[in-house]
Amino acid sequence: QSALTQPPSASGSPGQSVTISCTGTSSDVGAYNDVSWYQQHPGKAPKLMIYDVSKRPSGVPDRFFGSKSGNTASLTVSGLQAEDEADYYCSSYAGNNNFFGGGTRLTVL
Amino acid sequence: EVQLVQSGAEVKKPGESLKISCKGSGYSFSSYWIGWVRQMPGKGLEWMAIIYPDDSDARYSPSFQGQVTLSADTSISTAYLQWSSLKASDTAIYYCARPRLKGGVPNYFDYWGQGTLVTVSS
Repeated sequence: QSALTQPPSASGSPGQSVTISCTGTSSDVGAYNDVSWYQQHPGKAPKLMIYDVSKRPSGVPDRFFGSKSGNTASLTVSGLQAEDEADYYCSSYAGNNNFFGGGTRLTVL
Repeated sequence: EVQLVQSGAEVKKPGESLKISCKGSGYSFSSYWIGWVRQMPGKGLEWMAIIYPDDSDARYSPSFQGQVTLSADTSISTAYLQWSSLKASDTAIYYCARPRLKGGVPNYFDYWGQGTLVTVSS
């Protein structure tokens, strides 16, 4: 059972924006600015997209934006492109342990 | 360029032992933690454990404590994940990844291996 709750699916048309939520508690997402997001295409290894809530590693397009409010973190993908279709996972430190969310499958319509 | 290259797919029987590997290159292997993540068939990611190769300090997620053992050989820049007695429920893809720590605690994984598929079946 995931400590972090994500919607199982999300979708949007090319060019649109979509936001994926990651809901935790005051012991994990709400307590630490250690939220990260990963993109995983089918059959591939995950790729880091966001760390420290809102920082982008080199090479990640600025269409990907991370934020947090209270116990919920969010990943917004703007200007959706076909290549953004993938599974997205959030992760957070939770005091002596780390968790991933259950994952959200993003479909580009 | 940082690279993590994992060993190939394995097919084992329940009760058998197994050790899979992850070789790092392009950075100072002994100076960075290495972690392992499980992905069961059709499921999400699970944080398993991390190890600091220089002194073999290992930290296990409670769900995996006692179920697996981490080790590392700095002379060949390789980390290992091993089982002493596999179960069918260990069937999964196992990824090694490099965790970055903040304030001494794991924060995020910045580089990932390609994954090793472990199949346990009688």
